[in-house]
Amino acid sequence: GAGVSQSPSNKVTEKGKDVELRCDPISGHTALYWYRQSLGQGLEFLIYFQGNSAPDKSGLPSDRFSAERTGGSVSTLTIQRTQQEDSAVYLCASSLVPGGTEAFFGQGTRLTVV
Amino acid sequence: AQSVTQPDIHITVSEGASLELRCNYSYGATPYLFWYVQSPGQGLQLLLKYFSGDTLVQGIKGFEAEFKRSQSSFNLRKPSVHWSDAAEYFCAVGSGGATNKLIFGTGTLLAVQP
Repeated sequence: GAGVSQSPSNKVTEKGKDVELRCDPISGHTALYWYRQSLGQGLEFLIYFQGNSAPDKSGLPSDRFSAERTGGSVSTLTIQRTQQEDSAVYLCASSLVPGGTEAFFGQGTRLTVV
Repeated sequence: AQSVTQPDIHITVSEGASLELRCNYSYGATPYLFWYVQSPGQGLQLLLKYFSGDTLVQGIKGFEAEFKRSQSSFNLRKPSVHWSDAAEYFCAVGSGGATNKLIFGTGTLLAVQP
């Protein structure tokens, strides 16, 4: 595609529910990143995919968070048993090659847990 | 560990005035440095990047930045600000290695007065 696409753009969920956030990277980009942007923590790295594998999951805040990538393309970030502190904007980025020096960002998914 | 500091949380300038946004980084080797801009409700757009070579880099929208190793700085400048430049600006350093995830500063919110 022309750019990184994320869906939904907004998600409101009740505390305790599970949510799935989707990212479609730029076609051909092998590297994919998830970041979280919140008022208290700023922009923070969550997880990195190289192809379908995730060699760096160091930013996932708890075991309620997981992500997968299939076909070297679409990625899904899943948050189980959502908590109010999970409310944030979740940003996805992709780059052409692993460790590539320029990442392109999607517009993000704003998650609100009520 | 790598880190980025943006000492100015909020800056207000008059339209047509010059702008300088400060960024200091901590990194052991030659860093990959970036400036991103985020308009309300939007994702991050890359303004410019520095990897090596000429320490003065030109970006989009008339922005430039200068890498100063001795000061561990990568300040963003624009000679004449336009009202459309009002946004939040993030400085980031690449972590290096195979992941090369981005480590962001806390951002500077720019307001432009008519």
